[in-house]
Amino acid sequence: KAGVTQTPRYLIKTRGQQVTLSCSPISGHRSVSWYQQTPGQGLQFLFEYFSETQRNKGNFPGRFSGRQFSNSRSEMNVSTLELGDSALYLCASSLDLGGYGYTFGSGTRLTVV
Amino acid sequence: DAKTTQPPSMDCAEGRAANLPCNHSTISGNEYVYWYRQIHSQGPQYIIHGLKNNETNEMASLIITEDRKSSTLILPHATLRDTAVYYCIVREGGYSTLTFGKGTMLLVSP
Repeated sequence: KAGVTQTPRYLIKTRGQQVTLSCSPISGHRSVSWYQQTPGQGLQFLFEYFSETQRNKGNFPGRFSGRQFSNSRSEMNVSTLELGDSALYLCASSLDLGGYGYTFGSGTRLTVV
Repeated sequence: DAKTTQPPSMDCAEGRAANLPCNHSTISGNEYVYWYRQIHSQGPQYIIHGLKNNETNEMASLIITEDRKSSTLILPHATLRDTAVYYCIVREGGYSTLTFGKGTMLLVSP
């Protein structure tokens, strides 16, 4: 069965712009989480969605937002991009909220110049 | 902050068992031990998890000490494809999220 699909794989944006990343979970999975990975900070939790509602949120500024659609697909948006937002953004899906086995996608590599 | 301590790196010869330790001395009764790994340029991959009993699946075995203050992930016959960063995570059952530490970089050599 298809895994977690993230689009696009690579993205280059300019400071001040905004960006939207997309995540399609495994069919039947209802929970979607987002993580940011940088060399300095490692993997950091952004937020988790379940049934179109944000259930958990990490310690990131309000420029980072997300949403989940009725088909469980999710998007995250970063507004007013900063150089420090350059990172690998990973999406993970799970059957239910707090599921034991999250399946991660391959990520979107965002570069802000 | 991560609640676990892992060695930053380990080496293993191909075909030998890789034993990756993890210290979680402040673990509480309702917290599980999870292991994920991340191969270069890919997303993390779930390996195994346990509460207090030892667990085994097709990928690995998880040995948790009786006091639950530490655990060991065992890859019985390491291959070159097992070269990755291995993360030990302590997570409360229910709705809590995954908190990744720095993990252990396992290098499997021929």
